[in-house]
Amino acid sequence: GDSVTQMEGPVTLSEEAFLTINCTYTATGYPSLFWYVQYPGEGLQLLLKATKADDKGSNKGFEATYRKETTSFHLEKGSVQVSDSAVYFCAPTSGNTPLVFGKGTRLSVIA
Amino acid sequence: NAGVMQNPRHLVRRRGQEARLRCSPMKGHSHVYWYRQLPEEGLKFMVYLQKENIIDESGMPKERFSAEFPKEGPSILRIQQVVRGDSAAYFCASSPPSGRDGSDTQYFGPGTRLTVL
Repeated sequence: GDSVTQMEGPVTLSEEAFLTINCTYTATGYPSLFWYVQYPGEGLQLLLKATKADDKGSNKGFEATYRKETTSFHLEKGSVQVSDSAVYFCAPTSGNTPLVFGKGTRLSVIA
Repeated sequence: NAGVMQNPRHLVRRRGQEARLRCSPMKGHSHVYWYRQLPEEGLKFMVYLQKENIIDESGMPKERFSAEFPKEGPSILRIQQVVRGDSAAYFCASSPPSGRDGSDTQYFGPGTRLTVL
């Protein structure tokens, strides 16, 4: 079955620092890849997605590129803000199949 | 377009009672998924439903848990005779029908936080 490996958190950064959260996956076929973000006490919000190799998903300054050759979908942001503090989840899925989540990566941004 | 709605947002039950969690998918979505999140953990898939059908319940405990998505009304996740270990956040997600643009994308509700005393 599908699986995902994310870098262990927590990640603590100063405001305006560069962010990378690594994500690698295993999946049959050609999954779509997603990043979700969870703010404290809330549900998951879709952050960005990519549906095929070399696609780049982007939203709110975050980016991730679908790398089929390395089965990776690393999340990056050039300059983080305190408001970006949350837990980030990477997940592959194929069609309408259930999402497979790792434990997530907690990001804390300090002013 | 309203998002995925879940109620109640918080639910407290005593051991042995029943818990009923409701999920109304986004308008036009015909697929519903339930996930459970234990503290400091990721989300674990429980069950996937379409209208009046259970498609995949491989993540659901065999006993005490059941789910339905009737022709009319919300999807219901039912937990009978709750135990302390059922305390968790339960999230519902929905997606458009197969073949429609964006059918691979799931949108999540705010969750129901169940506490079993």
